[in-house]
Amino acid sequence: DTEVTQTPKHLVMGMTNKKSLKCEQHMGHRAMYWYKQKAKKPPELMFVYSYEKLSINESVPSRFSPECPNSSLLNLHLHALQPEDSALYLCASSQEVTRNTIYFGEGSWLTVV
Amino acid sequence: AQTVTQSQPEMSVQEAETVTLSCTYDTSENNYYLFWYKQPPSRQMILVIRQEAYKQQNATENRFSVNFQKAAKSFSLKISDSQLGDTAMYFCAFMKRETSGSRLTFGEGTQLTVNP
Repeated sequence: DTEVTQTPKHLVMGMTNKKSLKCEQHMGHRAMYWYKQKAKKPPELMFVYSYEKLSINESVPSRFSPECPNSSLLNLHLHALQPEDSALYLCASSQEVTRNTIYFGEGSWLTVV
Repeated sequence: AQTVTQSQPEMSVQEAETVTLSCTYDTSENNYYLFWYKQPPSRQMILVIRQEAYKQQNATENRFSVNFQKAAKSFSLKISDSQLGDTAMYFCAFMKRETSGSRLTFGEGTQLTVNP
């Protein structure tokens, strides 16, 4: 069982909506990640937070806005998305950014209509 | 930049048999990590096994083992006694240590089907 929990599991939103994806981990990890995965493709890194500070932004469009309220929580705020943003969004965590293994949550399926 | 290549888009195996998934990578780094993740139809990305590049001994986890050939930059996964629950997409991934954050570079994946 994963110790990285993501909500909601499924989300359908219109292009003018504002919504958020939420992620929580209970392993005491200090690094958290957002990945985007399209069908039949590997995950692509979007953001990395280390000790609650954004350390990597992989040139993600501003309609995706990450937030790390504390070391256990990671949010991804969504606004004015496009249909091509429909994908599986995976949250992950690791003990520290320089410390090896990354553990993934179950993902949030996002459909933009 | 690192690249990871999985040359087998699809594979199938009979239940209880052994199968090997191939992975090669390209890097100029000397200190890095390699992983195999599986992604079943539920789409959760599950860690299967991890290998640290400085360790010569091949990693094993129950029915899963790797053949790590550092000089050849090869990292294959062997699954013994295959089970129906092993049906999944398997991704090989490379990670180098960076102070700004760990990036996983994934291969394109191998879809494994275990047949009864």
